[in-house]
Amino acid sequence: RKEVEQDPGPFNVPEGATVAFNCTYSNSASQSFFWYRQDCRKEPKLLMSVYSSGNEDGRFTAQLNRASQYISLLIRDSKLSDSATYLCVVISTDSWGKLQFGAGTQVVVTP
Amino acid sequence: NAGVTQTPKFQVLKTGQSMTLQCAQDMNHEYMSWYRQDPGMGLRLIHYSVGAGITDQGEVPNGYNVSRSTTEDFPLRLLSAAPSQTSVYFCASSYSGGTGSTEAFFGQGTRLTVV
Repeated sequence: RKEVEQDPGPFNVPEGATVAFNCTYSNSASQSFFWYRQDCRKEPKLLMSVYSSGNEDGRFTAQLNRASQYISLLIRDSKLSDSATYLCVVISTDSWGKLQFGAGTQVVVTP
Repeated sequence: NAGVTQTPKFQVLKTGQSMTLQCAQDMNHEYMSWYRQDPGMGLRLIHYSVGAGITDQGEVPNGYNVSRSTTEDFPLRLLSAAPSQTSVYFCASSYSGGTGSTEAFFGQGTRLTVV
């Protein structure tokens, strides 16, 4: 079993709609969680960190559920420019140099 | 700010050839790492370093060597290229913020084809 798993999608979303997807992790020692965005196999870029209490950044909301070992990302009022692959990243605090990536969830926003 | 500079961007090798992918960062980050990305598999860790002189293996280290003689540089060496090493390679640097904060910065990637 992979340490970090994501639904690959694609999630086809009409412009203006809401889309949400999860990422599950298997290592209960995981302590830090992030969502990265990747466009067309370019370099990944940090979208947002995921905090225990949940956090928002504009139209993006991230949640962490430690009991069930998953994080989620919700995108409201989807824009065409949100079309990308969203990568879940998990780090154990005893291994800061080792980022564990999910395979990514593809989101396609359609007009 | 240069951030993470990764070279070359594209490379074609013949089976059995060796080469070095270069990675340099100017952010004084203690952590550097190399990943490969294959279709449908996400980024897989090849080797990583927690500081100058210290390296360790990741998930898929076979066929690759690394060294870190300075904080800034973390080259990846392919010893004898094989078609299975055809992939996109990303170098990253990151830091630990102490309170769970961090961010990894990536180079632009190297698209390697081994024929």
